[in-house]
Amino acid sequence: GAGVSQSPRYKVTKRGQDVTLRCDPISSHATLYWYQQALGQGPEFLTYFNYEAQPDKSGLPSDRFSAERPEGSISTLTIQRTEQRDSAMYRCASSLAGTDTQYFGPGTRLTVL
Amino acid sequence: AQSVTQLDSHVSVSEGTPVLLRCNYSSSYSPSLFWYVQHPNKGLQLLLKYTSAATLVKGINGFEAEFKKSETSFHLTKPSAHMSDAAEYFCVVTARGGADGLTFGKGTHLIIQP
Repeated sequence: GAGVSQSPRYKVTKRGQDVTLRCDPISSHATLYWYQQALGQGPEFLTYFNYEAQPDKSGLPSDRFSAERPEGSISTLTIQRTEQRDSAMYRCASSLAGTDTQYFGPGTRLTVL
Repeated sequence: AQSVTQLDSHVSVSEGTPVLLRCNYSSSYSPSLFWYVQHPNKGLQLLLKYTSAATLVKGINGFEAEFKKSETSFHLTKPSAHMSDAAEYFCVVTARGGADGLTFGKGTHLIIQP
């Protein structure tokens, strides 16, 4: 697509529920990143993919967080057994292979009640 | 390891006056440095990027930033503020071609007084 898209834009869930967030990167971009942005803070790196490979999971806060990109295009971020502290903006970005300029989507605002 | 410190959480200027948003960085590698802007309820937009080709980098909307290695700084400036510049600005560092992801500062909220 022309830009990075994310869905849903807003998600409200109850504590203990699982949620899945989706990111559709720019079509020519091999690399895809996920970030978590708490209110009043800058985004924090979670994980990234080169095509379908996931070289780095070190930023994921706990084993309740997982991400996939099975066909090297669309990616999902799943949070299991959500907790209130998971409430944040989740941002996806993509870049051309081997470059470091990232283009961001609009984000998904997650609220855990 | 890499880190970014934005020295001011809020900056307030009058419309038509210069803007200075301060940023210091640290990186174990030769860094790439960026400024991103976030308008309310909108995504992050790239303002400009430094990659060692030139120390003075020009970006969109009249913004520019100067890389000073001796001071490990990458301050963002604009000669004349406009009301539409009111937003959150993030200084960002990365290294190793982005393999470590981007490291963001905490942001500076720019307020433009009429």
